[in-house]
Amino acid sequence: KAGVTQTPRYLIKTRGQQVTLSCSPISGHRSVSWYQQTPGQGLQFLFEYFSETQRNKGNFPGRFSGRQFSNSRSEMNVSTLELGDSALYLCASRTGSDYGYTFGSGTRLTVV
Amino acid sequence: EDQVTQSPEALRLQEGESSSLNCSYTVSGLRGLFWYRQDPGKGPEFLFTLYSAGEEKEKERLKATLTKKESFLHITAPKPEDSATYLCAVGDSGGYQKVTFGIGTKLQVIP
Repeated sequence: KAGVTQTPRYLIKTRGQQVTLSCSPISGHRSVSWYQQTPGQGLQFLFEYFSETQRNKGNFPGRFSGRQFSNSRSEMNVSTLELGDSALYLCASRTGSDYGYTFGSGTRLTVV
Repeated sequence: EDQVTQSPEALRLQEGESSSLNCSYTVSGLRGLFWYRQDPGKGPEFLFTLYSAGEEKEKERLKATLTKKESFLHITAPKPEDSATYLCAVGDSGGYQKVTFGIGTKLQVIP
């Protein structure tokens, strides 16, 4: 059974640019969540999608956005990149709210 | 706002030296407490879900327990391959169970 797939694995962007990250969840999982992980803050919740609808959102500025497609694949977008956006971005899927996540390996974003 | 505090931040053990990791939480109605293991350069790997105080779950050398305010991850006779960062997370009782993570405990097991 294929796991959660995130692309790309690594990205280097310049301040002010925008970036799009992609996530393919486990087949059959309709819930997809995104987290930002940094050494000092740990995993910070960005948003969760279920059946193409955003149903939870974390405390991040509007520069961070996401969407989910009908096949459950998800993308997140960060516009006007700042140095502080450098982090590991993790995507996770689960079968339902009472179950643990299956995480992807993440996308390492570096903003220079 | 839900909060998760893990201690210690880092722990160094000799192989075979048992110990416990702590996870204290405040949440507006606990729907589930989760433990994950994260290896460097990888995403977290799910270990356990605990739902109510008094519940225990075991997997190989790991045992997770839950009280009304905290959870413990007991590691019995650890091996070097148990070295990783262990993350605790809580899901609240809101409609769609928002999940909040702690920063983690970095465990190093020395041969």
